[in-house]
Amino acid sequence: EAGVAQSPRYKIIEKRQSVAFWCNPISGHATLYWYQQILGQGPKLLIQFQNNGVVDDSQLPKDRFSAERLKGVDSTLKIQPAKLEDSAVYLCASSLGPPGIGYTFGSGTRLTVV
Amino acid sequence: GNSVTQMEGPVTLSEEAFLTINCTYTATGYPSLFWYVQYPGEGLQLLLKATKADDKGSNKGFEATYRKETTSFHLEKGSVQVSDSAVYFCALSEHSGGATNKLIFGTGTLLAVQP
Repeated sequence: EAGVAQSPRYKIIEKRQSVAFWCNPISGHATLYWYQQILGQGPKLLIQFQNNGVVDDSQLPKDRFSAERLKGVDSTLKIQPAKLEDSAVYLCASSLGPPGIGYTFGSGTRLTVV
Repeated sequence: GNSVTQMEGPVTLSEEAFLTINCTYTATGYPSLFWYVQYPGEGLQLLLKATKADDKGSNKGFEATYRKETTSFHLEKGSVQVSDSAVYFCALSEHSGGATNKLIFGTGTLLAVQP
């Protein structure tokens, strides 16, 4: 089966600019996650969707980050305006839904804010 | 809150050496435990998992046993290869009702295997 698709692969922007990342999960996966992985750290969950509803966005900096999942399939994560500390790899993952089942991660988008 | 602590790297070994990467966790309930691997330039891949106490996860020669009494899930391999060089992440996911829960990751351990 096809994996989790993410684009772009790399992005370099100046601080205060905006940027958007796109994710297409595995077909049929109801749950979609966005993680932020800062260099030298483990991934941290930003937001979790179940179909097109938000389950957990407690770690999402809502003053600058937003995310949506249209029709319960693709998802977009946006940052506006970006700060230097937003430099990280943004990982999208999807799963079938039941607890305890491993996720499938995309290759990520590496964001550099200069 | 829930957390995962794993040994700091880098861990540098010669080929065919024995590998142990320590991982301990703190959780209020009964988590599932995972090891993920990230090869250079690639995304995170599930290496192995265990969903209850005393379960042993295994894959590609790697093993880890879910030890509730010591809240540990140490990763081991009897004979490492150069191709095992990667960053290894320990993670937990706690069950909560019917919703899938987030993964909480450790900081990762870089393994470098020399020929």
